[in-house]
Amino acid sequence: RKEVEQDPGPFNVPEGATVAFNCTYSNSASQSFFWYRQDCRKEPKLLMSVYSSGNEDGRFTAQLNRASQYISLLIRDSKLSDSATYLCVVNPPSNTGKLIFGQGTTLQVKP
Amino acid sequence: GAGVSQTPSNKVTEKGKYVELRCDPISGHTALYWYRQSLGQGPEFLIYFQGTGAADDSGLPNDRFFAVRPEGSVSTLKIQRTERGDSAVYLCASSKSGATYNEQFFGPGTRLTVL
Repeated sequence: RKEVEQDPGPFNVPEGATVAFNCTYSNSASQSFFWYRQDCRKEPKLLMSVYSSGNEDGRFTAQLNRASQYISLLIRDSKLSDSATYLCVVNPPSNTGKLIFGQGTTLQVKP
Repeated sequence: GAGVSQTPSNKVTEKGKYVELRCDPISGHTALYWYRQSLGQGPEFLIYFQGTGAADDSGLPNDRFFAVRPEGSVSTLKIQRTERGDSAVYLCASSKSGATYNEQFFGPGTRLTVL
């Protein structure tokens, strides 16, 4: 079983739609959780950290459910510029900041 | 300010050859990470440096892979006797420290192709 699992998609949605991505992780002792965004042939960039209390940044909402080992990302009012791959990322229990990435979920927002 | 830079941006080599990939982290960042990303996959952790020392090299796939960071800044990833399966994008990232809450900033990567 992979440490971090995501549905690779692609998710094809019209502009203005709301779309949700989910991710599960296998190590219950994992410490920190993130969503990264990666544009085609570019490097990953941090989109947001994920907290148990849930957090929101504009049109983006991230949620963590530790009991179910489940992370989600909700994008409201999708824009064409949201088209990218969204990587679910977990920091496993360790003394380092090493990150474990999911396969990524591809989002295509169409006019 | 300047971000993480990596050279070369592309490297094509033949099976069995030796390659070196270079990473210049953000100035002042003590933590440096190497990942590699195959097509259609997320980045895979290789090694983590805190300062000059490799604090975690658990992701290196075998002893053909080696990395150094002699002065605690620039790092070089070295691959001996390259194989076709080594073809991937090699990403370097740096952060202020190895603490989990510090954001990792990624470089543009080196695309390695082994023929």
